[in-house]
This record gives sequence, C-alpha cells and structure tokens, in this order.
Amino acid sequence: QITLKESGPTLVKPTQTLTLTCTFSGFSLSTNRLGVGWIRQPPGKALEWLALIYWDDDKRYNPSLRSRLTITKDTSKNQVVLTMTNMDPVDTATYYCAHYYDILTAYNYWGQGTVVTVSS
Amino acid sequence: QSALTQPASVSGSPGQSITISCTGTSSDVGAYKYVSWYQQHPGKAPKLMIYDVNNRPSGVSNRFSGSKSGNTASLTISGLQAEDEAEYYCTSYTTSSILAFGGGTKLTVL
Repeated sequence: QITLKESGPTLVKPTQTLTLTCTFSGFSLSTNRLGVGWIRQPPGKALEWLALIYWDDDKRYNPSLRSRLTITKDTSKNQVVLTMTNMDPVDTATYYCAHYYDILTAYNYWGQGTVVTVSS
Repeated sequence: QSALTQPASVSGSPGQSITISCTGTSSDVGAYKYVSWYQQHPGKAPKLMIYDVNNRPSGVSNRFSGSKSGNTASLTISGLQAEDEAEYYCTSYTTSSILAFGGGTKLTVL
C-alpha cells in the first residue's frame, strides 16, 4: 500500500524559506521509473506543478519557479524535501506531494496535502 | 495562466454524457500520447482517472474514457452520476520534459 504525507510549517513570513517534507511508504525511490513530485493549489485555484525528482536523482522544475525551488531525496528515510525561497503571500496554497510512475507518465498516488499560509 | 486550456465549467444531467476538452500545442498534447486526467472533489487530493490518453487505472469506472486528436485531448464521462461532480484537470508531458497542467474544469451534475 502506497502512502505519502506532507509535513512542514503552516505559517511562514514573507521572504522566508519554506521547507516541506514528503514522507512515503510502500515503495522505494531507488526503484527504476519512479519519482516523487510536488504540486500546489492556491485557494480556489488550479493545480500548479512545482518539481519532480526521479529514482536516479534527475530533477525537473517548473520553469517559472526554477530559481526558488530545490528538491532533494533521502532514499534511506523514504523522504523527499522541497525548499522554496523568498516566500510571498501569493505562495499561500495547499502543497501536495505525489508518487510519479514514469510508465504511466502520471501521478498515481497523492498525499493529503498540507496548507501553507504566507503572512506577516 | 495554465499551459493547457480547459473550459471553466461543464454540466450535465444524471445519465447523460459529457466531454471535457484540453487544448495544448504541438509541444505537449500534440507531441505525445502522455495525457492524463485527474478528478478532485472539494477538500480532497486529486485522483488519477486516465493516463496515456485513454487508459484507466485499476478501480476507475469504465464510464470514464479519454481520447486525443491533434493538439486537443478529451475526457468523456458517460452515464453521469451525482458523485462525478468535481473538478477535472488534464496534464500532458511536454517537449521540455515536464508535465503541463490544465486550468481545471468544474463539472456540475444537474
């Protein structure tokens, strides 16, 4: 059974750096063709893809946010970490991590999401 | 602004069929057979409904089907049920080796 869970601060101040952790079970990120991605959703708005890290440590970023994002993995801990610098109130959103299967080219398991509010 | 264009809303009565379009370009939808569709109920995480244009993951009803023509992909839901009322998002692999998302379509079951 594959599960993912996001964790991190619920409130950050403008200009601060956000660090989110995705802790997963039921698969290993050392397995071929797998990845873990981050997707966010501002209140009442559409999903926005942020970043993806593959089993072989290849990384992909949303071009519009590339300069602010870093994604890393700790295979031994079954965790993926996303950092986003210079947070702004427009970054207020629910942040999801999701299991990516290259064969499907899709995110087939999602975490419940974590709400992050950016406010002073 | 989303990379893929979806209608903001569609509606249908129970038992009817509806189709949601997802329009991209020759750099995404038109380039690959890697279009997926997700269903999202309010307050819930998205759920994968279709992958690779027209494949259903295990457990997804066969009332959901997908297709693609040129730069436009489509999701069809037949035999509409009240539980189908949700937001639907398309995604496509792109020539930049990333996934582009659509802006979402709110389905209302009348």
